[in-house]
Amino acid sequence: DIQMTQSPPSLSASLGDRVTITCRASQSISTYLSWYQQKPGKAPKLLIYAASSLQSGVPSRFSGTGSGTDFTLTISSLQPEDFATYYCQQSYSIPITFGQGTRLEIK
Amino acid sequence: QLQLQESGPGLVKPSETLSLTCSVSDGSISSSGYYWGWIRQPPGKGLEWIGSIYYSESTYYNPSLKSRVTISVDTSKNQFSLKLNSVTAADTAVYYCARHFSYSSSCRLCVDPWGQGTLVTVSS
Repeated sequence: DIQMTQSPPSLSASLGDRVTITCRASQSISTYLSWYQQKPGKAPKLLIYAASSLQSGVPSRFSGTGSGTDFTLTISSLQPEDFATYYCQQSYSIPITFGQGTRLEIK
Repeated sequence: QLQLQESGPGLVKPSETLSLTCSVSDGSISSSGYYWGWIRQPPGKGLEWIGSIYYSESTYYNPSLKSRVTISVDTSKNQFSLKLNSVTAADTAVYYCARHFSYSSSCRLCVDPWGQGTLVTVSS
């Protein structure tokens, strides 16, 4: 199985901050990487696919970069609704695997 | 807009079989280019992919659960189902059904949309 490691596990930031979350794969996954946002008690929501493509309806302050083993999710200017847990997911091979999550909290 | 809804018992006894159904609305489960699958999340923990099915032909399971899992499709009811046998307390989780994009999609095997999730507790 491909292991996905996110950093940091948690992050405190203020409204308007620019934040970056990192995801590293245990082997090369090309650009088969997606990012999800999950709020408490809710299902995850797809934000980014193919490492850098923005899912329809997702605000442009979200962006993704990377290929191979190293990927980042950036939120350019934090809004109140962005405080949540973020997961990366590889779809290079079965089984699909997720990172352990990064919890983004208000400072 | 496609919607998915899980249903099934919220409490299952150890060693018994967990059975869940996902009802798909505002879209057809027979649409080409999509897989239908299950993902779970133990309380306070991360996401674990269980498996998915393409039409009624191909199934793909997480090797860690493969010996205990069956996913099937009922196209007449626009539903798909999960069975997990010989459950233990470690199977306690919120179970999500979801649509997966196909291998050939630019959104390869990404998951969207998700059902709201249903908590299944394994306890005697």
